[in-house]
Amino acid sequence: SQTIHQWPATLVQPVGSPLSLECTVEGTSNPNLYWYRQAAGRGLQLLFYSVGIGQISSEVPQNLSASRPQDRQFILSSKKLLLSDSGFYLCAWSYGRSSTDTQYFGPGTRLTVL
Amino acid sequence: GENVEQHPSTLSVQEGDSAVIKCTYSDSASNYFPWYKQELGKRPQLIIDIRSNVGEKKDQRIAVTLNKTAKHFSLHITETQPEDSAVYFCAASIFDTGRRALTFGSGTRLQVQP
Repeated sequence: SQTIHQWPATLVQPVGSPLSLECTVEGTSNPNLYWYRQAAGRGLQLLFYSVGIGQISSEVPQNLSASRPQDRQFILSSKKLLLSDSGFYLCAWSYGRSSTDTQYFGPGTRLTVL
Repeated sequence: GENVEQHPSTLSVQEGDSAVIKCTYSDSASNYFPWYKQELGKRPQLIIDIRSNVGEKKDQRIAVTLNKTAKHFSLHITETQPEDSAVYFCAASIFDTGRRALTFGSGTRLQVQP
């Protein structure tokens, strides 16, 4: 069966510090991968998605970036965090070639920028 | 791009009553509509989805209806129970395009009173 991991689970960082969040998927090949951010009490905002290694599409211009160095690894980064970067970051995957677009979410990383 | 609107933002029902959440979408090309349930501090979990070639789908106490002409879809929960209390998100996507990403509604907080 497929599983998706995210770490760290929680993170408290000062403004201006760098960020690296990692997401890995097990049990499937060539998945589509996604990064979402959820502000407190709000909906899900798509940040990045990837259909393959090195292929990243950005949905919202911001100080965040994403990379996909391996087929089942997706990394979210920032060189300098802002207060507004606080939120719940969710990684998700879906089958790359399938009759379904169902996305499965990871457990999330709760980021607090102080 | 796609825009998904969701109503109501909050919904309170008595245990045993039915709950209905409605969403509208803007892009007539959208053809995949999932619903996710998110409990406090947890990841969103898929509860039901529907494709545009189907008008209604049911899974035990949960059903989803789709009106392509009006571009709206709804989630129906019957015989609600306290454990149904959560935030529910609708979403839409255009399957089989390069983007392969979901656009989410803003969420509905459902509270089932015992």
